[in-house]
Amino acid sequence: QQQVKQSPQSLIVQKGGISIINCAYENTAFDYFPWYQQFPGKGPALLIAIRPDVSEKKEGRFTISFNKSAKQFSLHIMDSQPGDSATYFCAARWSKTGANNLFFGTGTRLTVIP
Amino acid sequence: KAGVTQTPRYLIKTRGQQVTLSCSPISGHRSVSWYQQTPGQGLQFLFEYFSETQRNKGNFPGRFSGRQFSNSRSEMNVSTLELGDSALYLCASRTGTTSYNEQFFGPGTRLTVL
Repeated sequence: QQQVKQSPQSLIVQKGGISIINCAYENTAFDYFPWYQQFPGKGPALLIAIRPDVSEKKEGRFTISFNKSAKQFSLHIMDSQPGDSATYFCAARWSKTGANNLFFGTGTRLTVIP
Repeated sequence: KAGVTQTPRYLIKTRGQQVTLSCSPISGHRSVSWYQQTPGQGLQFLFEYFSETQRNKGNFPGRFSGRQFSNSRSEMNVSTLELGDSALYLCASRTGTTSYNEQFFGPGTRLTVL
């Protein structure tokens, strides 16, 4: 059972465009939602994260939008650059016990065309 | 500060064999988690160790086991390998196990089972 559903599976965007990746979850106990960026041959690296008490978080060109009632959250990459080409994973964690049981989405392969 | 290191980076085994993977966390990090990454299932949590004790375990068969040493280094063992165990195995470390301790991933060990 996929705890976090991610779409699209792949995305092609022109340089300067906006990349949007969506995720949905079912477990209302989740209270921490990070996004990871993974380049080929590397492990995932934390990009940005949000807690459900805010609806939006922005860091540079990256923004998370969070809709608690719809149980959805999305990553927006503004002014997308070829260097942003990577696989992006959303994730969710139930942090009550502090346990590190992160549930990941299936990933979105982003390609930014120059 | 050096990142998470994993050895070996690549490994080829045959069905029925067993394998041991190694992870050295970032200096000062006492928690180590293991993940399996496959194209079909994405990133899945295996287990987490803190202070030499397994704190949390994902939904994997008993063939998958791990341990942590007093210097926080961790090993993961897979016995009786199956073709489906072919995957990228990622190790991640974090300072502790409070709710929002962020984790940092290593580059992974690519295991191929023939």
